[in-house]
Amino acid sequence: EPEVTQTPSHQVTQMGQEVILRCVPISNHLYFYWYRQILGQKVEFLVSFYNNEISEKSEIFDDQFSVERPDGSNFTLKIRSTKLEDSAMYFCASDGGSYEQYFGPGTRLTVT
Amino acid sequence: EDQVTQSPEALRLQEGESSSLNCSYTVSGLRGLFWYRQDPGKGPEFLFTLYSAGEEKEKERLKATLTKKESFLHITAPKPEDSATYLCAVLVYNNNDMRFGAGTRLTVKP
Repeated sequence: EPEVTQTPSHQVTQMGQEVILRCVPISNHLYFYWYRQILGQKVEFLVSFYNNEISEKSEIFDDQFSVERPDGSNFTLKIRSTKLEDSAMYFCASDGGSYEQYFGPGTRLTVT
Repeated sequence: EDQVTQSPEALRLQEGESSSLNCSYTVSGLRGLFWYRQDPGKGPEFLFTLYSAGEEKEKERLKATLTKKESFLHITAPKPEDSATYLCAVLVYNNNDMRFGAGTRLTVKP
């Protein structure tokens, strides 16, 4: 069964450093998303991406965040200068146009 | 503002003891309501999509229903492996911002 994959599973970084989180969506899907979940809190929408551009972003997704689809398979989230409060699980999701979003296993980001 | 509220926060059941989880929502125009299961440290696993009031969907021991104000996830004769957090989320028209509830943490004891 096709699934969304994410790497790395755990990333530890120092405050102020740049991180890139990687995702491989389901191959025939066209819509891509990033979410985050701070420990013990709700899953929060960050950004949606379609046709090589951002279609929607939340107030969390400020100038330190960017997304890219560098090739036909990968979808990345870059955080330019990490802060302590960026520590969270980051989930990538994709959907094929039916609004049913399938999530990856997540990357746990720890900022020290 | 669009809101999703799930209750109860936590639910403990004995194996075989059926129950229901609630998701109430206040949104401007519902495009779809989604149920997910989340195990600790894992990503949400898609269960159901409901699009309109009166719709019902079933999968094994789970059945999801939808009204104009709320959705229920009914669990019939649960087993310990059904223990997880169940998340409800809504998608509204003119917006790709999927809004999640806080979840119900279900524990099924053998």
